[in-house]
Amino acid sequence: SQQGEEDPQALSIQEGENATMNCSYKTSINNLQWYRQNSGRGLVHLILIRSNEREKHSGRLRVTLDTSKKSSSLLITASRAADTASYFCATAEYSGGGADGLTFGKGTHLIIQP
Amino acid sequence: GAGVSQSPSNKVTEKGKDVELRCDPISGHTALYWYRQRLGQGLEFLIYFQGNSAPDKSGLPSDRFSAERTGESVSTLTIQRTQQEDSAVYLCASSLVWSPEGQPQHFGDGTRLSIL
Repeated sequence: SQQGEEDPQALSIQEGENATMNCSYKTSINNLQWYRQNSGRGLVHLILIRSNEREKHSGRLRVTLDTSKKSSSLLITASRAADTASYFCATAEYSGGGADGLTFGKGTHLIIQP
Repeated sequence: GAGVSQSPSNKVTEKGKDVELRCDPISGHTALYWYRQRLGQGLEFLIYFQGNSAPDKSGLPSDRFSAERTGESVSTLTIQRTQQEDSAVYLCASSLVWSPEGQPQHFGDGTRLSIL
């Protein structure tokens, strides 16, 4: 099942602009994570935000979490060509007595035009 | 090693053959995960190991899929009698520990499997 659903599916912006991606999820969570995937490579963990946090920063990344709306956003400021990648949100979906692996959405494909 | 290593990076095989995919996690990581990623899609969780034990195998797509881990290190994912729908990138990840809240995971670059 797709716990996280990213929006938009694709985003193309000019270098230097800010990029915002959104994620919605369905069940209760303890934390939500964002990952980046460059073409042909594995995923790289970017940031983890806990359910009791509303906002978190890491360098040019800003993540917000609204548990009442079951949604999160990832903002990349002052985008660079190297930010071109797919971005996924992921949550730990509970099954039975506990969560197993992470549940990922289909991702937002971000293209930064030089 | 410095990161998660997967081999082979690419595998092309004929329908009906068996394939074995290997994952070397980051040294000291007790939790290991396998995912499948179809073209243009998100990741589909398959199975995880806590140490050498896989508590829940229900995520494996069919009984043609099996996985094992030895020495709390290397893991192999085996697909028997491959079908064309098995074509995908198989990603392995590891984390220092497993927890029900979900841990940050370190991914390998995957094995791209193509079934002819």
